[in-house]
Amino acid sequence: DTEVTQTPKHLVMGMTNKKSLKCEQHMGHRAMYWYKQKAKKPPELMFVYSYEKLSINESVPSRFSPECPNSSLLNLHLHALQPEDSALYLCATRDPRTNEKLFFGSGTQLSVL
Amino acid sequence: AQTVTQSQPEMSVQEAETVTLSCTYDTSESDYYLFWYKQPPSRQMILVIRQEAYKQQNATENRFSVNFQKAAKSFSLKISDSQLGDAAMYFCASLANAGGTSYGKLTFGQGTILTVHP
Repeated sequence: DTEVTQTPKHLVMGMTNKKSLKCEQHMGHRAMYWYKQKAKKPPELMFVYSYEKLSINESVPSRFSPECPNSSLLNLHLHALQPEDSALYLCATRDPRTNEKLFFGSGTQLSVL
Repeated sequence: AQTVTQSQPEMSVQEAETVTLSCTYDTSESDYYLFWYKQPPSRQMILVIRQEAYKQQNATENRFSVNFQKAAKSFSLKISDSQLGDAAMYFCASLANAGGTSYGKLTFGQGTILTVHP
């Protein structure tokens, strides 16, 4: 199984809502990433978890709250988002023991109204 | 710190022809990896080709090959016999283990939109 599964694929939320994005993998990869991508722009790194510990936070606003409850699961909790947060959110994983590529999920397209 | 620069916002090619996408990079790490990713309209990020910086030999994957010039910090992608399915946004990216840590930090260029004409 070489898949990174992201749910939901699409999400529409109001600015007062609380929602969560989910990312799951069963490749045993212990490095997991959240990227944000606007249309026709490159992905921008948000967070990196290494062995279930938050290792990088790229100065992301606190309305985004990551969580890595176990080695297979990565969540991104969303609260009080702004319309400019509308974007594609990509999860990626990597095996830090090898110098392999990042495996990407298909993303969650988020719209904030 | 890593930076990746793609100077061609858009490129076009005729089906069956060859096209080259340019990329330059800069990194303070001695051990790093370079990638070309393809992102079609589905927005799935697909790995096209990968190059380890310590290898002098240029990577090749079927119709895709790279010209890796380490001293010049250049990493271009050549697509031979272009097909309609090659139409996508192409990102050049570099990955280095940040500050001796075990995880890698992948940094993308701005991307090049490739159009393939029948």
